[in-house]
Amino acid sequence: QKEVEQNSGPLSVPEGAIASLNCTYSDRGSQSFFWYRQYSGKSPELIMSIYSNGDKEDGRFTAQLNKASQYVSLLIRDSQPSDSATYLCAVNEGYNTDKLIFGTGTRLQVFP
Amino acid sequence: EAGVVQSPRYKIIEKKQPVAFWCNPISGHNTLYWYLQNLGQGPELLIRYENEEAVDDSQLPKDRFSAERLKGVDSTLKIQPAELGDSAVYLCASSLDLGTSGRVNEQFFGPGTRLTVL
Repeated sequence: QKEVEQNSGPLSVPEGAIASLNCTYSDRGSQSFFWYRQYSGKSPELIMSIYSNGDKEDGRFTAQLNKASQYVSLLIRDSQPSDSATYLCAVNEGYNTDKLIFGTGTRLQVFP
Repeated sequence: EAGVVQSPRYKIIEKKQPVAFWCNPISGHNTLYWYLQNLGQGPELLIRYENEEAVDDSQLPKDRFSAERLKGVDSTLKIQPAELGDSAVYLCASSLDLGTSGRVNEQFFGPGTRLTVL
């Protein structure tokens, strides 16, 4: 069974701090990695996609991928209360397959 | 550009009744997905369409669930008969095939349909 693991949290950070969210996956053949944000009662919203080892930055968000260690992370700089949500990590199931496996998500709380 | 559209947003039915959900993907997106999301869990794929062809329906409980995408655009997911355990959020997503080898295309979700089976 292919797995994507995330700490359920909650991860509590003060406003203005860096929030670090981590995700590990079991299939070495996975090639595509995504972070989604999900507010309570809403549907997942795509934040970042990453395909190559290293860092990818988009505004306050940075995704980091390390395929050798099979982990992907999301950093949120200058965290705002509006960033409080559940963050879902999604990984494609194996080599050259479109099927995504989602983690259970990490709940982030940013307090003023 | 309009996002993925789903209807209804909420549905309450009694067990053993049928129910249907409708999805219209982002214009031009050829791939359509139906997911199920239980509370506290990530979405789980039920079925994936490439144009009008179902290319992955291994997770669809075929004894009671069915889906169709007749003209390769909008899609309907049906449950008949519904069971108590079917209460969940049913999400539709779509993606555009960019033809990039080795990369999974980004998927965009609709607002979902929250189903309650009494």
